[in-house]
Amino acid sequence: DTEVTQTPKHLVMGMTNKKSLKCEQHMGHRAMYWYKQKAKKPPELMFVYSYEKLSINESVPSRFSPECPNSSLLNLHLHALQPEDSALYLCASSQDWAREQYFGPGTRLTVT
Amino acid sequence: GENVEQHPSTLSVQEGDSAVIKCTYSDSASNYFPWYKQELGKRPQLIIDIRSNVGEKKDQRIAVTLNKTAKHFSLHITETQPEDSAVYFCAANTRAYSGGGADGLTFGKGTHLIIQP
Repeated sequence: DTEVTQTPKHLVMGMTNKKSLKCEQHMGHRAMYWYKQKAKKPPELMFVYSYEKLSINESVPSRFSPECPNSSLLNLHLHALQPEDSALYLCASSQDWAREQYFGPGTRLTVT
Repeated sequence: GENVEQHPSTLSVQEGDSAVIKCTYSDSASNYFPWYKQELGKRPQLIIDIRSNVGEKKDQRIAVTLNKTAKHFSLHITETQPEDSAVYFCAANTRAYSGGGADGLTFGKGTHLIIQP
């Protein structure tokens, strides 16, 4: 299995909602990533889990909270988001943190 | 942290001609430089990558060159075809994040490549 999968594909949420994005890979990769991509912009790294240890881009607001239950699964918990958080959220994985990263199809998030 | 500059932002070439996209990076500790292709509404796809111990790498019509001294790297696509039309991103790894000390990728702003029939 060479795929990174993400659910849901689309998500619409209000500013007071709590929701979670999910990502899964079965390639035995030990590093997993969350990226945010706004329209016509490059992906921007939010979080890295490498061997289940978290590294954080300090510019990411605390309303985004990552979780790595095991080496195959990655969640992004969302709470009290703002309309400007609307974007495509991409998950990626790699064998190690300095190796090729493979992206999932993304979750398109709209905050109303 | 790392800063990656990419040029041009838009590139239009005739089908069959070559296309060249250039990137520069700022962090001399970066040692991994991938290129991604992203079609509209789809995920970024890794097309080629290069490490700092190598100066050039080729895969069929695609090649990447790296000049570590000047801190720049380039993507070369020969014999372009309509299916090459997409946005191309260069990237560099950077260990600039707090916590576990793992690398992430910093991307350039992208080049919209248009292949004219």
